[in-house]
Amino acid sequence: ETGVTQTPRHLVMGMTNKKSLKCEQHLGHNAMYWYKQSAKKPLELMFVYNFKEQTENNSVPSRFSPECPNSSHLFLHLHTLQPEDSALYLCASSQEGILEQYFGPGTRLTVT
Amino acid sequence: AQTVTQSQPEMSVQEAETVTLSCTYDTSESDYYLFWYKQPPSRQMILVIRQEAYKQQNATENRFSVNFQKAAKSFSLKISDSQLGDAAMYFCAYRSAGNQFYFGTGTSLTVIP
Repeated sequence: ETGVTQTPRHLVMGMTNKKSLKCEQHLGHNAMYWYKQSAKKPLELMFVYNFKEQTENNSVPSRFSPECPNSSHLFLHLHTLQPEDSALYLCASSQEGILEQYFGPGTRLTVT
Repeated sequence: AQTVTQSQPEMSVQEAETVTLSCTYDTSESDYYLFWYKQPPSRQMILVIRQEAYKQQNATENRFSVNFQKAAKSFSLKISDSQLGDAAMYFCAYRSAGNQFYFGTGTSLTVIP
């Protein structure tokens, strides 16, 4: 499989559940990102990892917890979410020397 | 922080016609990069075209071209000979020299057969 993959594609969870989103990139990139995409809003950058080190955390609530065990895998651990956290969560990767980001298909998250 | 503005939430174009999507951005940097991404209904975001700010020549990729006006901080996308497969959300994006990415709110393009 090539490119950036994300699982699951759809997730429905209650406010008291704990779940994790997974992202894997097969491009040999050294940077990975989590974005939140809500309707009529710009993509919101949540977390950035460069060479497995977190370099960005844009004031994301602690109910979102990222994990990057290696440069190919990125997780977003979710717990005690709120209904307003329902959105499409996109993972992306990039490589130093390559200008653009490559995106995964996203996980559609619904918090009930 | 840099901001990217797409003032057209929705656009429509007749098949085989030409459409232009607008994008403006705000920055104090001189070195940066601009992109147009396409997100079809299946949701995978893919790169359409990119422009380096230091290049004066407008980028072109087949039916897609940009009109980059650096002084005006404008970066519009022109789609020629529109096809049904061009229907998607289009996002304008800015990348700083420090590898920070900023996206606009998107323009939903409908192609009318």
